[in-house]
Amino acid sequence: AQTVTQSQPEMSVQEAETVTLSCTYDTSESDYYLFWYKQPPSRQMILVIRQEAYKQQNATENRFSVNFQKAAKSFSLKISDSQLGDAAMYFCAYRNRNRDDKIIFGKGTRLHILP
Amino acid sequence: GAGVSQSPRYKVAKRGQDVALRCDPISGHVSLFWYQQALGQGPEFLTYFQNEAQLDKSGLPSDRFFAERPEGSVSTLKIQRTQQEDSAVYLCASGFNRGRYTEAFFGQGTRLTVV
Repeated sequence: AQTVTQSQPEMSVQEAETVTLSCTYDTSESDYYLFWYKQPPSRQMILVIRQEAYKQQNATENRFSVNFQKAAKSFSLKISDSQLGDAAMYFCAYRNRNRDDKIIFGKGTRLHILP
Repeated sequence: GAGVSQSPRYKVAKRGQDVALRCDPISGHVSLFWYQQALGQGPEFLTYFQNEAQLDKSGLPSDRFFAERPEGSVSTLKIQRTQQEDSAVYLCASGFNRGRYTEAFFGQGTRLTVV
């Protein structure tokens, strides 16, 4: 069975600084997707970034980028120029290549932005 | 509607009461997922529909939990004889096929409190 582990329950970063959230996962599959989701107090899960396992290039979305290390099964999220609106719970997630398969989430990291 | 809509947003139930949680997916979305998110945890998969067919219900915690999607659109998650451990946020996600990948969109969830 696949698992996703986030070892940082909470993190804080000064506004405009850079922060990295860690995630490791375990799977025996070779083709899968990895995600970072943001969940603000409104509870709606918002997709931040997606990485396809067969792509070696790290995904980037504006201020958000990932460091995908497939051999180490590591998938960290870097947020540059942190903004107050980035404060939320962040979930690392995994999904098998089968497009209808379920998403498996980690326990989350609560990110605080200090003004 | 523009997004996945869930109702009610909040539900308080007395222990032993039956509850029904509704999910209105984005129009045209074939896939529909239900997740349970306990306080301070990541969402955990409950069940999956493709149109009206329930293809995976492996995550339903007990036979008190039942989900349906009779016409392939709106879905209802029913919990019979609620217990305190059922208290959680219940998230619904719908998805469309984007080639080899199904993009999933989440609703804001229903927070269920069993007292």
